[in-house]
Amino acid sequence: GAGVSQSPRYKVAKRGQDVALRCDPISGHVSLFWYQQALGQGPEFLTYFQNEAQLDKSGLPSDRFFAERPEGSVSTLKIQRTQQEDSAVYLCASSLDRKETQYFGPGTRLLVL
Amino acid sequence: QKEVEQNSGPLSVPEGAIASLNCTYSDRGSQSFFWYRQYSGKSPELIMFIYSNGDKEDGRFTAQLNKASQYVSLLIRDSQPSDSATYLCAVIGGSSYKLIFGSGTRLLVRP
Repeated sequence: GAGVSQSPRYKVAKRGQDVALRCDPISGHVSLFWYQQALGQGPEFLTYFQNEAQLDKSGLPSDRFFAERPEGSVSTLKIQRTQQEDSAVYLCASSLDRKETQYFGPGTRLLVL
Repeated sequence: QKEVEQNSGPLSVPEGAIASLNCTYSDRGSQSFFWYRQYSGKSPELIMFIYSNGDKEDGRFTAQLNKASQYVSLLIRDSQPSDSATYLCAVIGGSSYKLIFGSGTRLLVRP
């Protein structure tokens, strides 16, 4: 069916606000990844889900970052008390299984003022 | 040393020419290699993947992998202005599943 979708596409937050970013993976894709892309850089891994289980969160920059995928489909990345350095594009990708090709959503561009 | 290295460019080629994009990686155990294209303000779009040494062709694109030398390249034949974008090389390590990206090479195809 449709590809990976993400919302919102753009988010402006004041420093200290909490934000929630949503990812809707391709139907049937077991694996879901979050990446962060700073301007002029390649995406960097944040966290990985296999179904509802978060198997790897080694890339989350601080304990202000939290991700969940409670029913094994839609995932939410939450950032608490946003800081200016959190400004980036947050990309979600899904794949049939963890070593299969990952397909990216359109991303959420977060700007923290 | 970064795990995946790419020349940032820009690589400028005339329309119709062959564009050659290169990438080196540090993890000898890496098994899966990907090229993504990213237009400005858009998300990465998969162009090709390659797992085995040698060449893999898909239309105007050819991916080349040399595990002994730890490099992977992408050739774009008959380059078009619409190919102008940033090309991201990504690698999955032997025991991993995370994509490790290079910083990307910006390609500019001149009409």
